[in-house]
Amino acid sequence: SYVLTQPPSVSVAPGQTARITCGGYNFGSESVHWYQQKPGQAPVLVVYDNRDRPSGIPERFSGSNSGNTATLTISRVEAGDEAHYYCQVWDSSSDQVVFGGGTELTVL
Amino acid sequence: QVQLVQSGAEVKTPGASVKVSCKASGYRITTFGLTWVRQAPGQGLEWMGWISAYNGNTKYAQNLQGRVTMTTDTSTSTAYMELRSLRSADTAVYYCAKGAYYNTESRLDHWGQGTLVTVSS
Repeated sequence: SYVLTQPPSVSVAPGQTARITCGGYNFGSESVHWYQQKPGQAPVLVVYDNRDRPSGIPERFSGSNSGNTATLTISRVEAGDEAHYYCQVWDSSSDQVVFGGGTELTVL
Repeated sequence: QVQLVQSGAEVKTPGASVKVSCKASGYRITTFGLTWVRQAPGQGLEWMGWISAYNGNTKYAQNLQGRVTMTTDTSTSTAYMELRSLRSADTAVYYCAKGAYYNTESRLDHWGQGTLVTVSS
């Protein structure tokens, strides 16, 4: 199995914009999903199908997919956004779900 | 509301087996797929496989083929994940997660609280 490429860490000041990338795969028409995981807690879905948000997730969370790189964007970052973030895609060639290695977001 | 409640922590010796349960409520378990994901200490998420409670169809991660079995009991809305021939590298928190729709590739919209499995001699 393989792991999608994410930067290990991203740091941003409160109020600024954080961008977390996910690559190492030709996403093509596949949907990318993003999860937030805080210490000691289960992951929570924050963006699905590249750019849609589940109910209850702030509009500050958005996503995009350019084909080779998917990006999670968090606008107006708050201290409560500190967490690990994981991307997920379905790899049709291997019939497997693949996760990214995870990115730790630090709010300075 | 949708809830997935998992069984408690387990400590196993190398070579043993473990069976983790995941009881679903708030929705019909046969309508959506259920996925198992694990997370070793300090590491990322690893997909283990998927099961349909509707017909028992399964898909397993290639690196776990032959050691893992996923089942469901629709009468109790409970899913099970059994992992055999445990080794220290299997020490992890094991999560069950509900798919937003039936298919294997579905996003995971609800997660269990996790079950810590420790493999140690």
